[in-house]
Amino acid sequence: GAGVSQSPSNKVTEKGKDVELRCDPISGHTALYWYRQSLGQGLEFLIYFQGNSAPDKSGLPSDRFSAERTGGSVSTLTIQRTQQEDSAVYLCASSYPRGPTYEQYFGPGTRLTVT
Amino acid sequence: QQPVQSPQAVILREGEDAVINCSSSKALYSVHWYRQKHGEAPVFLMILLKGGEQKGHEKISASFNEKKQQSSLYLTASQLSYSGTYFCGTGDEDSNYQLIWGAGTKLIIKP
Repeated sequence: GAGVSQSPSNKVTEKGKDVELRCDPISGHTALYWYRQSLGQGLEFLIYFQGNSAPDKSGLPSDRFSAERTGGSVSTLTIQRTQQEDSAVYLCASSYPRGPTYEQYFGPGTRLTVT
Repeated sequence: QQPVQSPQAVILREGEDAVINCSSSKALYSVHWYRQKHGEAPVFLMILLKGGEQKGHEKISASFNEKKQQSSLYLTASQLSYSGTYFCGTGDEDSNYQLIWGAGTKLIIKP
């Protein structure tokens, strides 16, 4: 079946502009995660959605970052007033409910470059 | 709280073996292993749980030492396709199993 898809694959934006990144999870997966990966670094957790529950926003680095998930499916990560330090690959992953036994399926990521 | 992976990088000849370690300062419930090839998404390899349960690919071998709060991934008779960066993600009961990811171990396999 179809995997996790993300769009756009690449985004170049000017400092101060807003950007929206989209994630389409695997059908039937109730959990959705957003991560940020800077060059040569590990995965930094940003936000987590599980069904209709309130999202876990504990990883968002500032109030410029926000995310929503409509209808329990597609999610959009929004970064307002982008800064150069926001440049990174943003990865989305989905799984069955969060838990220690469920593997996460990752999308190909969106490479964001802020100039 | 980020788990520490070692080594940071390793270069092997095809057919050689490697061990990648992941250590945490917290009592762990689960360890997840993923491999990421350059420019691609991370791909699931294995989950190891407190108590000994494992879930993953048959060709991958790993261990989880609960007392030492450490997991090791064993790559035997390495193939060129094993190249990539290996990440461990650790989960504990206190954080509701949210995974904290290590910085990765870069593995290069040469023919």
